[in-house]
Amino acid sequence: QSALTQPASVSGSPGQSITISCTGTSSDFGGYNSVSWYQQHPGKAPKLLIYDVSNRPSGVSNRFSASKSGNTASLTISGLQAEDEADYYCCSYTSSATLVIFGGGTKLTVL
Amino acid sequence: QVQLVQSGSELKKPGASVKVSCKASGYTFSSYAMNWVRQAPGQGLEWMGWINTNTGDPTYAQGFTGRFVFSLDTSVNTAYLQISSLKAEDTAVYFCARVMTTVNNNDYWGQGTLVAVSS
Repeated sequence: QSALTQPASVSGSPGQSITISCTGTSSDFGGYNSVSWYQQHPGKAPKLLIYDVSNRPSGVSNRFSASKSGNTASLTISGLQAEDEADYYCCSYTSSATLVIFGGGTKLTVL
Repeated sequence: QVQLVQSGSELKKPGASVKVSCKASGYTFSSYAMNWVRQAPGQGLEWMGWINTNTGDPTYAQGFTGRFVFSLDTSVNTAYLQISSLKAEDTAVYFCARVMTTVNNNDYWGQGTLVAVSS
């Protein structure tokens, strides 16, 4: 099973908004509303930003929002800040034998 | 506060075995399953599988059967990943991560353990 498809890179200027897409097949998303998003800075462990499509854990900035339509999930970061520069991964609970699949990752550059 | 603390980096020769530990604190260990995730150098995240910390039953992702074993020692709130017959392509950072609801939702992560395999 291939990874979910994400753009390799996106960029934006401070204060702007960007959206990262995450595309898969119907079995990749399994009919479940369970897509998560992670932020990973170099040399660090991933950090949960979004769970179950659009829910933010306590402590995560409301500048991060997410949604899902059909077989595409999206993460939007508004009011870009320098500290947002990182890799971002989507992750889905699937209906296949491989229960969990990650996206290939997107490198966000804040210009 | 919830913490997952993993064991330190390992340098192993091909064919050897390694055991990575993940010690949990700040919560009831048996109440949350544990995932294992691999990240090869410069690559993305790859789900290896999970272990039910209540029953000890492991589930392995495709590609992680045979040489990979998940285990627990509930007396010390620790999960383990053992890899046998190490190959150069096993070189990666291995993360443990607490499962929040469904297995793709991981709210706390260990700091990662680098396993380097080289002759």
